[in-house]
Amino acid sequence: GQNIDQPTEMTATEGAIVQINCTYQTSGFNGLFWYQQHAGEAPTFLSYNVLDGLEEKGRFSSFLSRSKGYSYLLLKELQMKDSASYLCAVNSGGGADGLTFGKGTHLIIQP
Amino acid sequence: EAQVTQNPRYLITVTGKKLTVTCSQNMNHEYMSWYRQDPGLGLRQIYYSMNVEVTDKGDVPEGYKVSRKEKRNFPLILESPSPNQTSLYFCASSLLAGAGNEQFFGPGTRLTVL
Repeated sequence: GQNIDQPTEMTATEGAIVQINCTYQTSGFNGLFWYQQHAGEAPTFLSYNVLDGLEEKGRFSSFLSRSKGYSYLLLKELQMKDSASYLCAVNSGGGADGLTFGKGTHLIIQP
Repeated sequence: EAQVTQNPRYLITVTGKKLTVTCSQNMNHEYMSWYRQDPGLGLRQIYYSMNVEVTDKGDVPEGYKVSRKEKRNFPLILESPSPNQTSLYFCASSLLAGAGNEQFFGPGTRLTVL
C-alpha cells in the first residue's frame, strides 16, 4: 500500500525558518509534490521534485532523497500568511496516475 | 482566467436524495479527478478521468459516480447520499496524467448529508 507520513502540527515564529518533513513508502515513485492549503480553501501548488536534491523557489525550498523515501519543505523568513496546512503528495505512477496525499502538516506562525 | 470551478460551493441535503456536484475547467486539461477531504484523513481520491469517456475508480469510489462526456466537465454524482459522505469535496485537473503535471484544484464543495 501507500503510506505518507508528515507531522500533524508545527509552530514557528514570524521571521524564522521552519522545515516540514515528509517520509513515504509507495509502490512506485514518479515525483513528489508540496501543496499549501489555507483553512477552507483549495490546495495550491508549491513545488515538485522528481530527482534527488534541492529545488529553490523564493522563500520556499523542497528537498528530495529517493533512496531514503524522504522529502522536506523549507520555509524561510516566515510571514503570518504562511499559517496554513502543507500537504506532501506522491505520484506513485500507478493506474490512477493521481496523487496520494499525506494528512498534512498544520503550521502555526506566532508573532 | 484559467480556473477550475465547482458548484454548488455549499450543500445541505438529506439521506437518499440524489445530487450532482458540477466541475468545469477552462484549461483544456485532459486529466480530471475528484477528492474528498476529511479531518485526520487528508485528501483521498474518489474517481479520475484521463480523457473524454475514460473514467476509473480511485481509492474511495463507493457511493459515487462520475461521467466525462466533454473534456471540460467532470460531474460527481451521489445517487443516494448517506451521512458518511458528509465531507469537503475538491475537483482537480492537470494537463496530462502522470509525473510532473501540477494539479489545479477547484474551490471546494462542502456537503452535509443529514
